[in-house]
Amino acid sequence: AQSVAQPEDQVNVAEGNPLTVKCTYSVSGNPYLFWYVQYPNRGLQFLLKYITGDNLVKGSYGFEAEFNKSQTSFHLKKPSALVSDSALYFCAVRAPYSGAGSYQLTFGKGTKLSVIP
Amino acid sequence: EADIYQTPRYLVIGTGKKITLECSQTMGHDKMYWYQQDPGMELHLIHYSYGVNSTEKGDLSSESTVSRIRTEHFPLTLESARPSHTSQYLCASSGQGAGELFFGEGSRLTVL
Repeated sequence: AQSVAQPEDQVNVAEGNPLTVKCTYSVSGNPYLFWYVQYPNRGLQFLLKYITGDNLVKGSYGFEAEFNKSQTSFHLKKPSALVSDSALYFCAVRAPYSGAGSYQLTFGKGTKLSVIP
Repeated sequence: EADIYQTPRYLVIGTGKKITLECSQTMGHDKMYWYQQDPGMELHLIHYSYGVNSTEKGDLSSESTVSRIRTEHFPLTLESARPSHTSQYLCASSGQGAGELFFGEGSRLTVL
């Protein structure tokens, strides 16, 4: 079975400071990892993904994520936070395809990011 | 922007009514999904489909039903709505490759 943990329900950061939203995962085989953002009363928007290759993945809106296989982590980062980054962030994982049902992503419970002006 | 559309965006309805939430995508994706989400909370997969005439129940038991008669269309139906069905329903699709999901804007259902 695959699982995702987002250990922080909420992260507060001052505008202009770097931000990190944490994610750890458990999956059989090499993981496919994803980050999504959700603004109030909206659907989820895809930010970035890791499949293979460089451990540092760059995505939309200046976000990046670092894959660490030994720590089974995929933390989301941004060098300088904006007030407009305030939203709910979801990490997701899935294993490489190996049969029926394995296309499904498993989502974390989400982390609410608040950027304080 | 992903081309996946949900209607209605907001619906307030009385107990016992039948409702259908529509979801359509124009990306030709074979896989489609319905998630249920309470505000600011985690997502729960309630239904998915890997192609026409293929539907499966997800991790969270739901009284809703789905159909997949056309590739682009994946409606969700509640035969008799109850207050416990009040939630946001998110439709998503994915194609080949890594399988990232593309989400619609959601349908927020309130049952009085």
